[in-house]
Amino acid sequence: DIQMTQSPSSLSASVGDRVTITCRASQGISSYLAWYQQKPGKVPNLLISAASTLQSGVPSRFSGSGSGTDFTLTISSLQPEDVATYYCQRYNSAPFTFGPGTKVDI
Amino acid sequence: EVQLVESGGGLVQPGGSLKLSCAASGFSFGGSAMHWVRQATGKGLEWVGRIRNRANNYATAYAASVEGRFTISRDDSKNTAYLQMNSLQTGDTAVYYCVTQPNWNVFYWGQGTLVTVSS
Repeated sequence: DIQMTQSPSSLSASVGDRVTITCRASQGISSYLAWYQQKPGKVPNLLISAASTLQSGVPSRFSGSGSGTDFTLTISSLQPEDVATYYCQRYNSAPFTFGPGTKVDI
Repeated sequence: EVQLVESGGGLVQPGGSLKLSCAASGFSFGGSAMHWVRQATGKGLEWVGRIRNRANNYATAYAASVEGRFTISRDDSKNTAYLQMNSLQTGDTAVYYCVTQPNWNVFYWGQGTLVTVSS
């Protein structure tokens, strides 16, 4: 099965910083990659699908890029409400594996 | 508005069984794939399995950790998906989320239901 890794596992940044999270697949998955934000005690929220398509209602400071095996989620200007854990997920074929997550703090 | 409401969670002893339901509304249930995802307390997200739609012969797929113990099914006449869990282990304790995939690049999640496996 294709494995998903994320780096870093956690980070701490300041309000207004540019934050980049990396997700890597062990084999190519084209652009079948989603990014989720999960705040403590809440349901995961889909931010981006198809590697770079921002979902409706998601702030434009979030962006995604990449294809094949290497992907990034960027927060252009970190806000206090962005404190959360971020997960990538591949969905090119089953199993739809998630990455281990990246915890973002301020 | 897409709504997914899970039910059936609770406390079960190791080796026991439980069946979760996911009642759906607000989208074309019959045309959508349905997934189950779980999350143990303080842990990451784990994809459990999915069932495709009728056009794709209701094909199922499962994570290795639940293969042979869990079964996903659906009743399109009731807009409901199910997760039958057998031979439950303490490691299966988690919040179980129902997720719909109405098209290839869209996913909607339910609020989740807690399953606790303990003696």
